[in-house]
Amino acid sequence: DAMVIQNPRYQVTQFGKPVTLSCSQTLNHNVMYWYQQKSSQAPKLLFHYYDKDFNNEADTPDNFQSRRPNTSFCFLDIRSPGLGDAAMYLCATSRTTVVGTGVGEQYFGPGTRLTVT
Amino acid sequence: SQQGEEDPQALSIQEGENATMNCSYKTSINNLQWYRQNSGRGLVHLILIRSNEREKHSGRLRVTLDTSKKSSSLLITASRAADTASYFCATDAAYSNSGYALNFGKGTSLLVTP
Repeated sequence: DAMVIQNPRYQVTQFGKPVTLSCSQTLNHNVMYWYQQKSSQAPKLLFHYYDKDFNNEADTPDNFQSRRPNTSFCFLDIRSPGLGDAAMYLCATSRTTVVGTGVGEQYFGPGTRLTVT
Repeated sequence: SQQGEEDPQALSIQEGENATMNCSYKTSINNLQWYRQNSGRGLVHLILIRSNEREKHSGRLRVTLDTSKKSSSLLITASRAADTASYFCATDAAYSNSGYALNFGKGTSLLVTP
């Protein structure tokens, strides 16, 4: 059974044309994440939500925005994609954990590969 | 910001051999995790080891953690062709204000040939 679903799996957009990637989960996890992963590189955290609390990484460009309308869904909006934004975008979820016990296991979707032409 | 660094960057072995990957990190942690990523796919969680643990096993996987050296190793015993993937370590930061953030290393690319 799919637990973290990302649509579409492949997305082609034009330079400067806004694009939205979507993620849904059936795990009822409080925390949702968006990562950007370029070829042969580590996943880079863009932002994460704890419920509706939004946490933006300091070096995430303003060009990237996110929305989480409810527990199950989370969206990544790229307002004006550049060629450098071509990458795999990974959505992940995790449970909340007891304070002081650290970050728990994350469950990843299959990713959306974004191509910018 | 990236904290973990895996070593080696690439590893090629034959089926049946053991594969060892290492991870080093910089700041104090609560947990260290290992993930696997098949080509073009999402990451799959393999194992989590807490800062007060030294060793953990899961099937053919053995993870060690040395907090004094800020390092961890992942051992895959009796490797199979299906183990071919990239392996990443990920750490949280014990005193981070980033809530639930994990920092991933650059990964080790493992190739297991029949």
